[in-house]
This record gives sequence, structure tokens and C-alpha cells, in this order.
Amino acid sequence: AQRVTQPEKLLSVFKGAPVELKCNYSYSGSPELFWYVQYSRQRLQLLLRHISRESIKGFTADLNKGETSFHLKKPFAQEEDSAMYYCALKTDSWGKLQFGAGTQVVVTP
Amino acid sequence: DVKVTQSSRYLVKRTGEKVFLECVQDMDHENMFWYRQDPGLGLRLIYFSYDVKMKEKGDIPEGYSVSREKKERFSLILESASTNQTSMYLCASSASPNTEAFFGQGTRLTVV
Repeated sequence: AQRVTQPEKLLSVFKGAPVELKCNYSYSGSPELFWYVQYSRQRLQLLLRHISRESIKGFTADLNKGETSFHLKKPFAQEEDSAMYYCALKTDSWGKLQFGAGTQVVVTP
Repeated sequence: DVKVTQSSRYLVKRTGEKVFLECVQDMDHENMFWYRQDPGLGLRLIYFSYDVKMKEKGDIPEGYSVSREKKERFSLILESASTNQTSMYLCASSASPNTEAFFGQGTRLTVV
């Protein structure tokens, strides 16, 4: 069965410290994974996807098929990174997404 | 800029009422989705549509139905609202399965 697990409900970090959000998945096919972000009072938006292999707002995420993980990392957290982050897995050819439970990130000065 | 617009930000309805949540997108997207967002559960897919008048059940379709009479509009219907349907509802659209999904601002529904 396909599943996305985000083990941390809340991550509290200091400004300038590294931050890593964990995401593990189970999927029998070739996975396509995404990170979505929701800032306070804003709509959910795509942060990055593994196939583009780009860095957005200083965040990177590497797909590790051996560990079935897609962790999101940023070396130096900023206060504007405070948000809810969702890991998502594309589960079929229609583009349906399976989301994790989400991780709330709070960056304190 | 893609716009996905949900007709209401907040709704309060009584148990047993029929409730309509409306979503409109302005980018001629083929695919449209309805999710509900609950703390600790993330987003769960209720229904999606890949074309006008076409719909498919998602993971939690019970108690819901949908309508897509025009390409730009996707409606979620709660036939008889219940308190366990109190939630944030998010609509999304995408041009194709391989492109980004764009989300609406959400409708917070409270059923009393």
C-alpha cells in the first residue's frame, strides 16, 4: 500500500541552525515525490519536486530509494521558513497525491 | 498566475443540511481535486475529475459527491452534513498529471 510518513509533527529550530524534515514513503512503483508548503494565511503551494533536482528558497531534497526517504533540508533556517510542510507522493497516472500528516516548522530568532 | 478560487472562506451549516462547496479555476486545467485537511492527518483526497462530467472516487468519498458540468468549475456536495465533516476543504487543479497542482485558499466548514 502507498503511504507517506512524516514522523515529526513539530520542529522548533533557531534562526541560522540547520533544519531537516523527514519523509519516508512506501510505494511499489517508481516514486515521484514533492514537498508542499503552507505559510500562515496562505494557500498550499509547491516547494519542490524530486525530478527537478533544484534548490528552492535554500531547500533541497534528495530521493533515496534504498531508504525510501525524501528528506527536506536547509543549512540555515530563516524566520520566514516558519510554515507547515507536507511531503506528497504521486500515486497514479492521473496525478493524484498522497500526503503525509505534515510537519509544522517554527523558526525562532 | 493560476487562480483557483473557492467560493467561501468560512461556512457554518447545520447537521442534515445539503452543502455545496464551489471551486473555479481560470487556467483551462483538465484535472481538478477535492481534499480535506485535518490536523495530524494531512490532506486526504475525496474526489477528483479528469474531464467534464468525469469523476473518480478518492480515498474518503463516503458522504460526499461531486459535479463537474463545466471545465472550470468543480463542486463538492455534502448530501446531509454531519459533524464529522467539520474540516478545512481544499480544491486543486492541474494541467496534466505531470504538472504542478495549484490549490485554492480553502473553505473552513463547521457543521453544528
